[in-house]
Order: sequence, then C-alpha cells, then structure tokens
Amino acid sequence: QQQVKQSPQSLIVQKGGISIINCAYENTAFDYFPWYQQFPGKGPALLIAIRPDVSEKKEGRFTISFNKSAKQFSLHIMDSQPGDSATYFCAASVTGGGNKLTFGTGTQLKVEL
Amino acid sequence: EAGVAQSPRYKIIEKRQSVAFWCNPISGHATLYWYQQILGQGPKLLIQFQNNGVVDDSQLPKDRFSAERLKGVDSTLKIQPAKLEDSAVYLCASSPAGTGELFFGEGSRLTVL
Repeated sequence: QQQVKQSPQSLIVQKGGISIINCAYENTAFDYFPWYQQFPGKGPALLIAIRPDVSEKKEGRFTISFNKSAKQFSLHIMDSQPGDSATYFCAASVTGGGNKLTFGTGTQLKVEL
Repeated sequence: EAGVAQSPRYKIIEKRQSVAFWCNPISGHATLYWYQQILGQGPKLLIQFQNNGVVDDSQLPKDRFSAERLKGVDSTLKIQPAKLEDSAVYLCASSPAGTGELFFGEGSRLTVL
C-alpha cells in the first residue's frame, strides 16, 4: 500500500491558535516523512521532516509528532499566523527507493485574525 | 542559488493537441522528477530520472506522455494527444544525491478544452 491518508481537508484557525494536521500510512517500509507547504501559484516547499527513529521534531513553531506503532504522524503549528495560510501536504518515501515521495491529499489551512 | 525553473507557466490547448513542458533543475542535482498535481489533490509522481536514465516511469501514461532528460540536466515532458483529464499543474522537482529533500519549481498549469 503506497497511500498516505491526510485529514482534515480544510482547517480554519484563529490567529495565535494551534493548527493540527494528521496523516496515516500503510507501507511500513516508509522511513522518511516530510511536510510540504504550498502557496497558491507556487510549488511545494519543504517545511519540516522526520525519520522514524525519533517521536518528535520541532523547528520553531512547527512540530512533527510521529507514532510508529500506529503508523501515524502529525504536524502541529503553534501560534498560527495569517502568513501560515497555505495548503499543507504530508508525504512519505523509502530511502534508497529513489526517494519518490507519496503525497497526502492536502489540507487547506486558513488562519483568521 | 537559483531554483528549479519551469516553462511555460500556463498553457491552454484543445483536446487532441500536443504540448511540451521544460524544466531546468538546480545545478548539480542528479535526480529529477515530474509530478502531476490535479486541482485539490496531492502531487502524483509521473517519472523520475537519475542523471540521464529513467528510474521509475511506472505511473506515466506512456500512450500519450513522454519525457526525456537531456545530457543529465534539462528535461522535457510531452503530452500528445492531450485529453481533458490532463488538465493539471505539472511540477518539476530536483534533489541532490543522498538526500530525500525535493526542491520544486513553480509548475506549469495546463488547461485542456
């Protein structure tokens, strides 16, 4: 199974709130889990990534939580800002398998003032 | 450092016509990918090149899509003849050797009427 399931499809958060996006995967061979951010008219850009040897990774206001046994990972955006309004994609790949990313379906985040 | 360059940014064609997209990856990146992103969905891999060679084209509709990578640098993706369902953004990405990080271009938006 190569699918990566992502939820929710859309999310509205108040400025200063926490945005949470969840993903689940089936392929236990996946060993690289990045999150990409995409603004309208632009290509996706890497935001943060994690490998399964750690359960959490934090970079600034962005945190990935990883649950290997549940085959789930999530993105938390703390102190959400209007500039964070974008579409977020989770993805997964197998190192040594060509690093071909399998993307989730995306979450459209809107941060309101 | 210059990013991934793609052209044209927008193209409108009639069904059964042909179209070609061009990509110039980041200098020194050995791996090049073409992804198809249909509106409201995550990017889907079409083809992956490592230098001149094709690594994976299993999801490329070969009856109408073709791609090549010239001298291990630039790449072109061609669609002939186009169908209505080919309307999408075609994203080119490149990756340096030994990493899982993909750098995406801004994409070429195709509308088939």
